[in-house]
Amino acid sequence: DAKTTQPTSMDCAEGRAANLPCNHSTISGNEYVYWYRQIHSQGPQYIIHGLKNNETNEMASLIITEDRKSSTLILPHATLRDTAVYYCIVRVAINGNQFYFGTGTSLTVIP
Amino acid sequence: DSGVTQTPKHLITATGQRVTLRCSPRSGDLSVYWYQQSLDQGLQFLIQYYNGEERAKGNILERFSAQQFPDLHSELNLSSLELGDSALYFCASSVGQGAGSPLHFGNGTRLTVT
Repeated sequence: DAKTTQPTSMDCAEGRAANLPCNHSTISGNEYVYWYRQIHSQGPQYIIHGLKNNETNEMASLIITEDRKSSTLILPHATLRDTAVYYCIVRVAINGNQFYFGTGTSLTVIP
Repeated sequence: DSGVTQTPKHLITATGQRVTLRCSPRSGDLSVYWYQQSLDQGLQFLIQYYNGEERAKGNILERFSAQQFPDLHSELNLSSLELGDSALYFCASSVGQGAGSPLHFGNGTRLTVT
């Protein structure tokens, strides 16, 4: 698995965009980038994933650099309920588990 | 709501005992994963099943076992419990095994061993 590097913590003002970076410099061509978040001991919540192209859904946008060595999760208008630990995960396309959670980024949305 | 159901939500038991945690995957999902999250620890992968067959093992202790039944629900059995087994246990499911299939997690079972 390609390892990921994320900031330990970040703050964001309520209503502003939250941009969460992730480095995955050893990613391979068939590995997907996934983002999850976990709100205080609840189950991790799927946010978005992508392979090469940028992706957008109702929760967030995922921007993947052209060389695929880094990505950014964008929450367009952060709310207090977005305060959580955000995990960037790189997943390989083979059988079996390819989902290894790191330590993530603790995002605090400030009123 | 992810659609993954885990029971019970809370479990308190004594050292040396045996417990069974249950997971019902989302409708249509064939793959089930089990994870352990201890206090202040990250999520540790335990084991994966796909359509009834074991497909991958992570850091699962020999005292722990799991299975996936024909109706696709899964059970995680923990025996000879120790204090250190106290943790949140999460189940996740996905449609397939491919890397493009997101995992959807339940809200976990909190196990306390006293």
